[in-house]
Amino acid sequence: QLQLQESGPGLVKPSETLSLTCTVSGGSISSSSYYWGWIRQPPGKGLEWIGSIYYSGSTYYNPSLKSRVTISVDTSKNQFSLKLSSVTAADTAVYYCARIGSFHTLEIWGQGTMVTVSS
Amino acid sequence: SYELTQPLSVSVALGQTARITCGGNNIGSKNVHWYQQKPGQAPVLVIYRDSNRPSGIPERFSGSNSGNTATLTISRAQAGDEADYYCQVWDSSTNVFGTGTKVTVL
Repeated sequence: QLQLQESGPGLVKPSETLSLTCTVSGGSISSSSYYWGWIRQPPGKGLEWIGSIYYSGSTYYNPSLKSRVTISVDTSKNQFSLKLSSVTAADTAVYYCARIGSFHTLEIWGQGTMVTVSS
Repeated sequence: SYELTQPLSVSVALGQTARITCGGNNIGSKNVHWYQQKPGQAPVLVIYRDSNRPSGIPERFSGSNSGNTATLTISRAQAGDEADYYCQVWDSSTNVFGTGTKVTVL
């Protein structure tokens, strides 16, 4: 059974770079059938798509975040990662990783990790 | 950018039917997916491609999509259906989520 697990610092200072990793278990990140994505949810608010990546490295990014976001993949570790630069308090959120199937369906989600931006 | 509009809240009596709408320009031409999110938990896919249920999702959940509105229908609502629900589409190389609807079972 495929599982995804987010990991990374729970506290990041303003202006610094937020870095998270999603580890995939129970399946290969190199499957040709899927993209892998990041989504976030500020406290008490709705879902916001950040971006997604194919195992080959092809990416899609939310235009509103594109200038600050980098998503990368490490097939040898079965992981993909998120970097968000120049963070502010508005980037405080629960960050989820997910497997994206056909028709861009977010089929399987990680449990999420809370990241707070504060000095 | 493409926008999806949902009602802020929907209330339904126990055992009755709840309908949650997702409005977007010509959304009927897109594939709409629906997610259920309970407090403190990650979202779960309940409907994909307008009207298809993943394995393990009760038949009480159904969906439709036409014109400018997609609809998620919860039949015979149970207390366990209380949650936030989000629609989602792919548009112009971007995933777009709806604003979210809180469903309360009375």
